[in-house]
Amino acid sequence: DAEITQSPRHKITETGRQVTLACHQTWNHNNMFWYRQDLGHGLRLIHYSYGVQDTNKGEVSDGYSVSRSNTEDLPLTLESAASSQTSVYFCASSEAPGPSYGYTFGSGTRLTVV
Amino acid sequence: AQSVAQPEDQVNVAEGNPLTVKCTYSVSGNPYLFWYVQYPNRGLQFLLKYITGDNLVKGSYGFEAEFNKSQTSFHLKKPSALVSDSALYFCAVRDQVSSNTGKLIFGQGTTLQVKP
Repeated sequence: DAEITQSPRHKITETGRQVTLACHQTWNHNNMFWYRQDLGHGLRLIHYSYGVQDTNKGEVSDGYSVSRSNTEDLPLTLESAASSQTSVYFCASSEAPGPSYGYTFGSGTRLTVV
Repeated sequence: AQSVAQPEDQVNVAEGNPLTVKCTYSVSGNPYLFWYVQYPNRGLQFLLKYITGDNLVKGSYGFEAEFNKSQTSFHLKKPSALVSDSALYFCAVRDQVSSNTGKLIFGQGTTLQVKP
């Protein structure tokens, strides 16, 4: 069965370190998205991609980067981790384009920056 | 700009009673509306969506939602709540302007607590 997987599920890192969160989907979806979930803020869009070599900034992109070298993967990199980036991160994918397509979500990565 | 509001941080209902989780939206064109549910330590799961047509949309696990264009609302409902419905619920919207970009805008989420 097709799926979208995130790794690791939990990560503790130190302030200033570079961290990469993995997202891999086998749906063959062109659209992929990264969100962070924080109490009181719901889901906020970090970065998104509409296909290979395409990346775009979301509303909270500072301190994060992504790259899309193939259809299946959209890794999220924290260039220099900060305590404010402690959060739960969700990757999602969808068929594109079109208004009626929802997202398929991964199970999330809980990141703690100490 | 498009936006979604979920006015209640938490909704408490007794098992067997009807439940409503509220959602209002603001978009520049016709809205495309979604509800997702998140169980503890899990990703979000799709419940239902409104694209066009009948204002009452039926979805998974016995949930339904009513689209009301004049009130710009898309409230989630269930006639008889179960303890297992306890979870975090998100409303999301996409409008015609952003429909081809694929982006969904999410509300802040509402925690539903169903007590036995």
